[in-house]
Amino acid sequence: GESVGLHLPTLSVQEGDNSIINCAYSNSASDYFIWYKQESGKGPQFIIDIRSNMDKRQGQRVTVLLNKTVKHLSLQIAATQPGDSAVYFCAENLGGGGADGLTFGKGTHLIIQP
Amino acid sequence: DTAVSQTPKYLVTQMGNDKSIKCEQNLGHDTMYWYKQDSKKFLKIMFSYNNKELIINETVPNRFSPKSPDKAHLNLHINSLELGDSAVYFCASSLQPNQPQHFGDGTRLSIL
Repeated sequence: GESVGLHLPTLSVQEGDNSIINCAYSNSASDYFIWYKQESGKGPQFIIDIRSNMDKRQGQRVTVLLNKTVKHLSLQIAATQPGDSAVYFCAENLGGGGADGLTFGKGTHLIIQP
Repeated sequence: DTAVSQTPKYLVTQMGNDKSIKCEQNLGHDTMYWYKQDSKKFLKIMFSYNNKELIINETVPNRFSPKSPDKAHLNLHINSLELGDSAVYFCASSLQPNQPQHFGDGTRLSIL
């Protein structure tokens, strides 16, 4: 079965607020994690990644947190904008060099309310 | 533009037919992938191809076969299409395994 999952299928936030999207993974051998954003009719778009030797990484308006103790990954989006509306996926690589592709979670649909 | 491009964007065909989806990347990446996204948006790896090494997800029927004429292309051939093959198929590439993957915009396959 899948080893990456998300706690909420839909997350609704007010424009300007911060968004937090959570993800749980079950494989302790995973060493690389990515967050993707998918808009309707488009392919997944890379947002940010983090490797297992780190617990936090920041990008432009986004932060990824990795808690290996409880196998939890989160994506924080600051000052959410209408353009942030999309489905967000966490994905993990199960180690072994990564040639076997990514395992994706089910996705969280982020809805921005005006 | 540098990108991962797939053709066609839409493919409608009848059960039992054989079809191909093409994928090209001009990012200079060494590894390419095919994913299937079902109606519930669940993305699942089908194949990865790196330095002529093909890794196949064991759940993929052998009616599906990837073919790579060169490092920049990984095409997907599907024989004897079935209703359950209806999905969106995404091609992706990465510079090396275990690095960010860049996705095409998908091919929506509909089987009548």
